[in-house]
Amino acid sequence: EVQLVESGGGLVKPGGSLRLSCAASGFTFSTSDMNWVRQAPGKGLEWVSTITSSSSNIYYADSVKGRFTISRDNAKNSLYLQMHSLRVEDTAVYYCARNFDTWGQGTLVTVSS
Amino acid sequence: QLVVNQSPSASASLGASVKLTCTLSSGHSRYAIAWHQQQPGKGPRYLMRVNSDGSLSKGDGIPDRFSGSSSGAERYLTISSLQSEDEADYYCQTWDTGIPFGGGTKLTVL
Repeated sequence: EVQLVESGGGLVKPGGSLRLSCAASGFTFSTSDMNWVRQAPGKGLEWVSTITSSSSNIYYADSVKGRFTISRDNAKNSLYLQMHSLRVEDTAVYYCARNFDTWGQGTLVTVSS
Repeated sequence: QLVVNQSPSASASLGASVKLTCTLSSGHSRYAIAWHQQQPGKGPRYLMRVNSDGSLSKGDGIPDRFSGSSSGAERYLTISSLQSEDEADYYCQTWDTGIPFGGGTKLTVL
């Protein structure tokens, strides 16, 4: 079964940092482009970042550029999102997605003082 | 800049059909889109990719009640024989600099 499981969310103060993880199983992770997408409470989906299969190409939304870093470990079938300088407006459920054809269940990040 | 537009809401009766629309901004009529369903309290679920020629690539296990089509800059998702579990938010998404998502259509099954 193809599965993506996010973890690492939680409550953090503005200006703080958090690292999200996404564990992949049931498919060949090393040949799949991977993405992070977020959804603020009561809002729609917003693309955050994409990393290609070999990490050769990485893209970020303007809203997170310079603060977030996407990475992956193909040996561990894992995707990561390192988030720094977090803002209240970064509060959202963060989903990892494979090629946008498979989604995880999400992990909630709350940025609040 | 590529923008993807969706109507905020739609409704249809149990057992009926409904057609949701995703509109690509001017100059982008050849772009493919993907439809995703998000049921209340759940993560998104990929339904299908709709190409500009109307060809489809459906996700695993997606019922035949869900179909897609294309006309010009519009991409459609048609759901037939509506069931209560089809009540959800439906998002379209395309591929460009960044990954634009539409604002979503909230479907109510009456």
